[in-house]
Amino acid sequence: GENVEQHPSTLSVQEGDSAVIKCTYSDSASNYFPWYKQELGKGPQLIIDIRSNVGEKKDQRIAVTLNKTAKHFSLHITETQPEDSAVYFCAAYDSWGKFQFGAGTQVVVTP
Amino acid sequence: NAGVTQTPKFQVLKTGQSMTLQCAQDMNHNSMYWYRQDPGMGLRLIYYSASEGTTDKGEVPNGYNVSRLNKREFSLRLESAAPSQTSVYFCASRLGQAEYEQYFGPGTRLTVT
Repeated sequence: GENVEQHPSTLSVQEGDSAVIKCTYSDSASNYFPWYKQELGKGPQLIIDIRSNVGEKKDQRIAVTLNKTAKHFSLHITETQPEDSAVYFCAAYDSWGKFQFGAGTQVVVTP
Repeated sequence: NAGVTQTPKFQVLKTGQSMTLQCAQDMNHNSMYWYRQDPGMGLRLIYYSASEGTTDKGEVPNGYNVSRLNKREFSLRLESAAPSQTSVYFCASRLGQAEYEQYFGPGTRLTVT
């Protein structure tokens, strides 16, 4: 089955700097890659996603890139703000019709 | 439009007790999911229902049962709770087919003593 690895597990950045989180997946048939933001005590919230026929997608300060050959995808957050502090999860929709999640990255943005 | 709702928000059980976690969505979604979230392990799929009338096991189904009561509701039952089932449980739904966006409920924090 699919295996998704996510790095780093924690990330501390200064406000205004960029943050990058990376994920790798194993199932080459995976075709959809979402990123979720989870704030304390809440459920994960979809913030951006990318399909396998696209290499990059942007939405304001966040972007996701996908390298199908290397089987990895990344989340980029620019001009980080304190409200970006949260746990971020990547996921892959595999050939079995299920979502496999990374272990999560705790992002802390310090003023 | 409430999205995905879950009850209860918190629950404490003794080992061996049973309970049912409720989930409902008002987005007319076809597929519904139950996940558990443990520290450092991301979200793991317990059971899912691709459409009304069907259910399938996920990665960690042992000790759980599910019922897709109708298109809106998908419940998770613990017949005999164990301390290993202490976790946060999330329900999610998506439209299905090529619509992959998955929406999560607020979660149920369960402690088994």
